[in-house]
Amino acid sequence: AQKITQTQPGMFVQEKEAVTLDCTYDTSDPSYGLFWYKQPSSGEMIFLIYQGSYDQQNATEGRYSLNFQKARKSANLVISASQLGDSAMYFCAMRGSRGYQKVTFGTGTKLQVIP
Amino acid sequence: GAVVSQHPSRVICKSGTSVKIECRSLDFQATTMFWYRQFPKQSLMLMATSNEGSKATYEQGVEKDKFLINHASLTLSTLTVTSAHPEDSSFYICSARGGGLSSGNTIYFGEGSWLTVV
Repeated sequence: AQKITQTQPGMFVQEKEAVTLDCTYDTSDPSYGLFWYKQPSSGEMIFLIYQGSYDQQNATEGRYSLNFQKARKSANLVISASQLGDSAMYFCAMRGSRGYQKVTFGTGTKLQVIP
Repeated sequence: GAVVSQHPSRVICKSGTSVKIECRSLDFQATTMFWYRQFPKQSLMLMATSNEGSKATYEQGVEKDKFLINHASLTLSTLTVTSAHPEDSSFYICSARGGGLSSGNTIYFGEGSWLTVV
């Protein structure tokens, strides 16, 4: 079974500051993938970043970086230089390597960027 | 641009009627698609895994006869909510794994469909 835990229901960050959104996971799969998605109020799911369990380096995509600590089973998202448009729900998700490789989501963190 | 297209984005239907939601992968073939449901301010809950050419795999607690899933081709999966009731009102969203070596690890989502049953 897979489990994703996001312990921060809501976060505030000052514009232009960096913010870290926490995510821990649990799985028995030998390999897996970790994702972060952004969901604005419109409902669409926007892919931000991906980290494979065997990737040697932490993933980065523009202002987004994933702080992957395999031993701790954590995959925190770091957003640098926050912008007002970053205000949204953020979901951490994991895809296993068995069966249909379904994706399991965390409960999400609502980020609000303050001007 | 979008790689997974979902239609309709919003639909209102009368209680007791059925409504169909389409999910299309654009420019790639998706042998497997996933259907999720999201209640307000909650996370996405996987409803079922849609497999091209075979029966869908439903998650525990999801009624197969109420949420009919058809994956008729490698680019299209449909979710039909049969005999809809107000408690079925929700946000439904599909996803598919990206095609090709460069994007094979990415899961793309459709735009989602807001269903309101009145």
